[in-house]
Amino acid sequence: EAGVAQSPRYKIIEKRQSVAFWCNPISGHATLYWYQQILGQGPKLLIQFQNNGVVDDSQLPKDRFSAERLKGVDSTLKIQPAKLEDSAVYLCASSLSPRGGGPLQETQYFGPGTRLLVL
Amino acid sequence: GNSVTQMEGPVTLSEEAFLTINCTYTATGYPSLFWYVQYPGEGLQLLLKATKADDKGSNKGFEATYRKETTSFHLEKGSVQVSDSAVYFCALISNTGNQFYFGTGTSLTVIP
Repeated sequence: EAGVAQSPRYKIIEKRQSVAFWCNPISGHATLYWYQQILGQGPKLLIQFQNNGVVDDSQLPKDRFSAERLKGVDSTLKIQPAKLEDSAVYLCASSLSPRGGGPLQETQYFGPGTRLLVL
Repeated sequence: GNSVTQMEGPVTLSEEAFLTINCTYTATGYPSLFWYVQYPGEGLQLLLKATKADDKGSNKGFEATYRKETTSFHLEKGSVQVSDSAVYFCALISNTGNQFYFGTGTSLTVIP
């Protein structure tokens, strides 16, 4: 079974530039998550999709971050404009079920991440 | 609210030593508990999980027991190997939502 795919793996940009990340979840997984992992910290949820709808985006800095999952499969996360403090690893994860599916289905499977450096 | 507290690292052990990484949690309701491992340059991988009190999760020689009375989910391994060197994250998901709450991670280095 193929895992969660992400690209690019690394990105270096200057502050105020724009950047986009792509994620393709495990086939059949209804729920997709974007996390931000700052060096030395645990992942922090940015946004959660169930199929093509947003379930939770309460921690997404909406003035500069946006995300979409138009067809309920792959997803893009965009930052515009980037700030120095956005330097982090951006992780995408997916799980089988929507809310309430039970712990087995709620297990999240992570991609390798995109490491972003903002100069 | 929900939160996870892990012991701070880094932890350095000799090969074949006993490993314990402490994890305690605060949660509403009855959470499911997880340990994820992150090898250098890779994404997080599920190591083990437990979904109710007194459950023991185990995988690759690692074990953790869900202790409701002490709100803990400590990770243990009897004999570590160099290949176990990684960052370990404790996490929970509450039964009232779908959001994971991660600890800050504990870096483990095993030396030959």
